[in-house]
Amino acid sequence: AQSVTQLDSHVSVSEGTPVLLRCNYSSSYSPSLFWYVQHPNKGLQLLLKYTSAATLVKGINGFEAEFKKSETSFHLTKPSAHMSDAAEYFCVVSGRNAGNNRKLIWGLGTSLAVNP
Amino acid sequence: DSGVTQTPKHLITATGQRVTLRCSPRSGDLSVYWYQQSLDQGLQFLIQYYNGEERAKGNILERFSAQQFPDLHSELNLSSLELGDSALYFCASSANLAGAYNEQFFGPGTRLTVL
Repeated sequence: AQSVTQLDSHVSVSEGTPVLLRCNYSSSYSPSLFWYVQHPNKGLQLLLKYTSAATLVKGINGFEAEFKKSETSFHLTKPSAHMSDAAEYFCVVSGRNAGNNRKLIWGLGTSLAVNP
Repeated sequence: DSGVTQTPKHLITATGQRVTLRCSPRSGDLSVYWYQQSLDQGLQFLIQYYNGEERAKGNILERFSAQQFPDLHSELNLSSLELGDSALYFCASSANLAGAYNEQFFGPGTRLTVL
């Protein structure tokens, strides 16, 4: 079975400091992994995705994530936080349902606050 | 702009009523997904349709139903509404190519308020 765990429900950083949002996953298959972002009162937007190519994935708005198979992790990072990064972030793994069809398994989300 | 459209943006109704939410996927996408997002339960997957057929079911109540039409737009029907159904309902679409990852593109959501 597949699962995803976002290790922090809330993260608070100061503007200009690094961001680290942690995600661990479990999958019986070679997974595809995603990070989505949801700004307040907005829909969800894909930040980046890993699909078995390069393990370091670059996304939009300066975010990156590194796939580490040995640690079953896919942590999201950004070198310098901006006020506009304040949002909810979801880690997602692609798995399979009972009918062997692909499905996305969503983490519970990490709320990122950026302080001036 | 993801290319996924949802109507209406906001819906206010009373308990016991029935509403229909509508979603148009991105051009060419065959899969449509419905999600419910509430403050206490987070983002919950409800149901997926692929090319008109139900493909996967999540935490969808029996009072809720959905369908996908030949033109690929989808509707989510919510009946006998309760206060607890107040939430943001998202539709997403994906190409769902065989063997490909299911990257999903989300609409802006419909905010349902049940009074």
